[in-house]
Amino acid sequence: GESVGLHLPTLSVQEGDNSIINCAYSNSASDYFIWYKQESGKGPQFIIDIRSNMDKRQGQRVTVLLNKTVKHLSLQIAATQPGDSAVYFCAEDSGGSNYKLTFGKGTLLTVNP
Amino acid sequence: KAGVTQTPRYLIKTRGQQVTLSCSPISGHRSVSWYQQTPGQGLQFLFEYFSETQRNKGNFPGRFSGRQFSNSRSEMNVSTLELGDSALYLCASSLASTKTQYFGPGTRLLVL
Repeated sequence: GESVGLHLPTLSVQEGDNSIINCAYSNSASDYFIWYKQESGKGPQFIIDIRSNMDKRQGQRVTVLLNKTVKHLSLQIAATQPGDSAVYFCAEDSGGSNYKLTFGKGTLLTVNP
Repeated sequence: KAGVTQTPRYLIKTRGQQVTLSCSPISGHRSVSWYQQTPGQGLQFLFEYFSETQRNKGNFPGRFSGRQFSNSRSEMNVSTLELGDSALYLCASSLASTKTQYFGPGTRLLVL
């Protein structure tokens, strides 16, 4: 049969704008969350992480917000640059001694110069 | 510090063959995880090894197996290859004390 690819959400922004990428996670027991950036032909690159005992964490040009009440995660990228164009994945770890990440389907970010 | 390395980077096999992929984690990282990435299913967890023991396993058939050596290097094997096994296979490593996983560039496998 014909295979159907995942329909990635897409976000297109102008260079210099701020970007917000959203992610809904599934497991209320998840206690650790990571955002990855994947460029074409490369493996996922770690951006920022957050534990469930926090609701906000900031890095260089990036901020992750965690809302456990509605199981929602967001990644904010300030002053988006063309080099930020990539697929962004959120991932959750279900806690305990697991080292097993469950990934969302990703969001394609395109930055227009 | 060198990142996660994977060999080979590209591989072409035919149905029914088997394949072995290799992963060298970041120095000092003892946990190694494997993931399969396809356009249809996205990123899916295969298994995770720590101190030569498989600690977690995803929902893949027994044709997919792995092992870890005493130096933390890991291999995964896929036997009796099927067309649907064509994918990017990613290895990630992490320290024993954290859950942050760092990925290698992947091995792109094409099954004809």
